[in-house]
Amino acid sequence: DADVTQTPRNRITKTGKRIMLECSQTKGHDRMYWYRQDPGLGLRLIYYSFDVKDINKGEISDGYSVSRQAQAKFSLSLESAIPNQTALYFCATSDQLAGGSYNEQFFGPGTRLTVL
Amino acid sequence: DQQVKQNSPSLSVQEGRISILNCDYTNSMFDYFLWYKKYPAEGPTFLISISSIKDKNEDGRFTVFLNKSAKHLSLHIVPSQPGDSAVYFCAASAWGNQFYFGTGTSLTVIP
Repeated sequence: DADVTQTPRNRITKTGKRIMLECSQTKGHDRMYWYRQDPGLGLRLIYYSFDVKDINKGEISDGYSVSRQAQAKFSLSLESAIPNQTALYFCATSDQLAGGSYNEQFFGPGTRLTVL
Repeated sequence: DQQVKQNSPSLSVQEGRISILNCDYTNSMFDYFLWYKKYPAEGPTFLISISSIKDKNEDGRFTVFLNKSAKHLSLHIVPSQPGDSAVYFCAASAWGNQFYFGTGTSLTVIP
């Protein structure tokens, strides 16, 4: 079973609709992230959370909100979807190593969102 | 403004030869750098990393070089194999908080 899962994998919605993308992980990591990927722009950070009570805005948080329901679950919401939010969305997790050093991120398979 | 840049959108290399992927960054506070590989319809997967206290890190066929004075890092793949064909992203972080990604380089290894 995948360590980081995302649902749905594909979604087509209309402008103005509310949509939620969900992410679950079984890695036991405290840190979770939401990114979007656009052609020519790479991956850009939307929100990140270092534990259940910690939520932080990333580079491009406008138009998005998140909820960290549990250590293993991190949801991304688009309150009123617009066409330029059409993108590939990735959830990721990571763990901070002892001594404050860093570790890599583990990514989910992605959700392809189309806003018409 | 893009803090991590990959100026080559694509690269083609013959099987068995060396692939060199480049990445530049602007933020001198970055202290940790990573390379990820991404296949279509999958999420990125971690490949190799380097801390700013080092200038080289090697893992099998993959070596990452860091030139802090030039704010430049590169990934060398030797020898290149057809299975290495993918999009490669470099990423950088300061104190392990936010990770900033480049725009990616699509590598094609020709058999």
